[in-house]
Amino acid sequence: QQPVQSPQAVILREGEDAVINCSSSKALYSVHWYRQKHGEAPVFLMILLKGGEQKGHEKISASFNEKKQQSSLYLTASQLSYSGTYFCGTEKDGSSASKIIFGSGTRLSIRP
Amino acid sequence: ETGVTQSPTHLIKTRGQQVTLRCSSQSGHNTVSWYQQALGQGPQFIFQYYREEENGRGNFPPRFSGLQFPNYSSELNVNALELDDSALYLCASTVKTGQGYTFGSGTRLTVV
Repeated sequence: QQPVQSPQAVILREGEDAVINCSSSKALYSVHWYRQKHGEAPVFLMILLKGGEQKGHEKISASFNEKKQQSSLYLTASQLSYSGTYFCGTEKDGSSASKIIFGSGTRLSIRP
Repeated sequence: ETGVTQSPTHLIKTRGQQVTLRCSSQSGHNTVSWYQQALGQGPQFIFQYYREEENGRGNFPPRFSGLQFPNYSSELNVNALELDDSALYLCASTVKTGQGYTFGSGTRLTVV
């Protein structure tokens, strides 16, 4: 089942913060976050495994609430390079047959 | 690391024809997944291969088929092309579950 992302689109000024949410109706093993720029391939940002951990990557971090099957991606002090569409992808188990199901994406636009 | 490469980058086919898309993954990436991405949408899971065996399939008809080879390359075959098959086709690979996926740049298929 496809995870639900919100909001669908965000417009920020450079330096502002943003939060992108991802929720699932099913128990999850992991949540992936990817960024895709126009005309390019999705690029892996980070993965969060069940256990409620929070991870960080430069000024981009994420949390995973296993009980609520929700993950949030935090972008602080946004830069122009952060523009793109962000996708969360969820896995329901850790087997070799596990597959990633992606949400419909959140389009982030950063203005100078 | 050589990344994930896909060929061709663009393709135009006529309705009813057959097409083969190719993907070359990084050495050691035993899992490869194929996705269909329509404009403005998230990647939709087609199927997944693990060590040359299909081990997961999304909601796509049997005319979508694939193969994975021992040299970490794979292919997606689509028979009896329909206009709605026009999309960006992405392959993504990983070493194992619980790790991020590396995406190729995709093949843009247009069916006329």
